[in-house]
Amino acid sequence: EAEVAQSPRYKITEKSQAVAFWCDPISGHATLYWYRQILGQGPELLVQFQDESVVDDSQLPKDRFSAERLKGVDSTLKIQPAELGDSAMYLCASSLRLAGAVDTQYFGPGTRLTVL
Amino acid sequence: RKEVEQDPGPFNVPEGATVAFNCTYSNSASQSFFWYRQDCRKEPKLLMSVYSSGNEDGRFTAQLNRASQYISLLIRDSKLSDSATYLCAVKVGNAGKSTFGDGTTLTVKP
Repeated sequence: EAEVAQSPRYKITEKSQAVAFWCDPISGHATLYWYRQILGQGPELLVQFQDESVVDDSQLPKDRFSAERLKGVDSTLKIQPAELGDSAMYLCASSLRLAGAVDTQYFGPGTRLTVL
Repeated sequence: RKEVEQDPGPFNVPEGATVAFNCTYSNSASQSFFWYRQDCRKEPKLLMSVYSSGNEDGRFTAQLNRASQYISLLIRDSKLSDSATYLCAVKVGNAGKSTFGDGTTLTVKP
């Protein structure tokens, strides 16, 4: 069964450092999402791509976060500088988005970030 | 008020019990509805999409009430393996973003 791949699975960093997370969606999935999930809360959308274009980044803290999907396949999410409050699980998801069909998202295993 | 709200629980039930969770949403333009299951420190996995007519998958039944703006998940004959957090998600249009609730925690005990 095809899966969304993410790396690293765990990242510990000190505040003010830069971190980067990578996501490879399911092959053929044009839509890619980055979510942040704080412990005890639901996932919150940070950015949504349709192919290489950003569709929604309204909740992305653009002063420190950036995301790209240059070739419309894999994607990188970067935080610079990291702050203590960024400690969370960062989840990537992808979907096929067929016209007329329910758009189902499939999540990767996530990257658990701890900022010290 | 949050866009999508769930009772956080925890729900502690014995094996074999029937348990139901509700999820309310505030945006009346919402069109797609989902239940996800999330095990501790794992990613959410889709449990069911929720259709207007309601749908059933084995021991799991999902219902949508558009008039009152809530969805529900019923689990019959609970198993120990059903212990998890159940997240509901709501989308405005097929191209819109999914908004998640904070989840309801279920613990099934022997």
